[in-house]
Amino acid sequence: DAKTTQPNSMESNEEEPVHLPCNHSTISGTDYIHWYRQLPSQGPEYVIHGLTSNVNNRMASLAIAEDRKSSTLILHRATLRDAAVYYCILRAENYGGSQGNLIFGKGTKLSVKP
Amino acid sequence: NAGVTQTPKFQVLKTGQSMTLQCAQDMNHEYMSWYRQDPGMGLRLIHYSVGAGITDQGEVPNGYNVSRSTTEDFPLRLLSAAPSQTSVYFCASRPSPGASSYNEQFFGPGTRLTVL
Repeated sequence: DAKTTQPNSMESNEEEPVHLPCNHSTISGTDYIHWYRQLPSQGPEYVIHGLTSNVNNRMASLAIAEDRKSSTLILHRATLRDAAVYYCILRAENYGGSQGNLIFGKGTKLSVKP
Repeated sequence: NAGVTQTPKFQVLKTGQSMTLQCAQDMNHEYMSWYRQDPGMGLRLIHYSVGAGITDQGEVPNGYNVSRSTTEDFPLRLLSAAPSQTSVYFCASRPSPGASSYNEQFFGPGTRLTVL
């Protein structure tokens, strides 16, 4: 499975933008980039995913480098509720069977200061 | 929809005891899986199922059994609990490729298990 590298922790101030980086230099052409987050004492929840183009949804934006070897999750205005562990995960496009399994690393623990 | 539900929320076992962690989903998802999360670590896949009657092993299957007799339920059985199985267990489900929201995996709230 292609591997991702994320910083162990980051800090942000409330209401400021946050840029969470992820390196995935061995990504294959059919790997989608997924982001999940895990709030304290909860199960992970889906945030966003993309393949090549930048993506936006109500929770966040995903900026993908042109060579796809890195990506950045952008929270436009951090709130205290955004304090969580953020996981960057690669998953194959055709994810039948075991290819659909999500392989979690340790993620980035985001702290948000009021 | 209730989503993915797990019972119990908390459980304490003695070494050697057996028990079943329950997981159910009401979204008609074909794929279901079990993860464990140890303190300060990411989630590790235990077992998964791509449909009723079909299960397979993940990264850390030893000491656990699963079965999938219905689409809705995917119980995880601990055969003989050991202290090393103290962890938080998460069940997850996702739709089949082609279904709406097929890229999202939905997780339950977790079961916190302590083995003494």
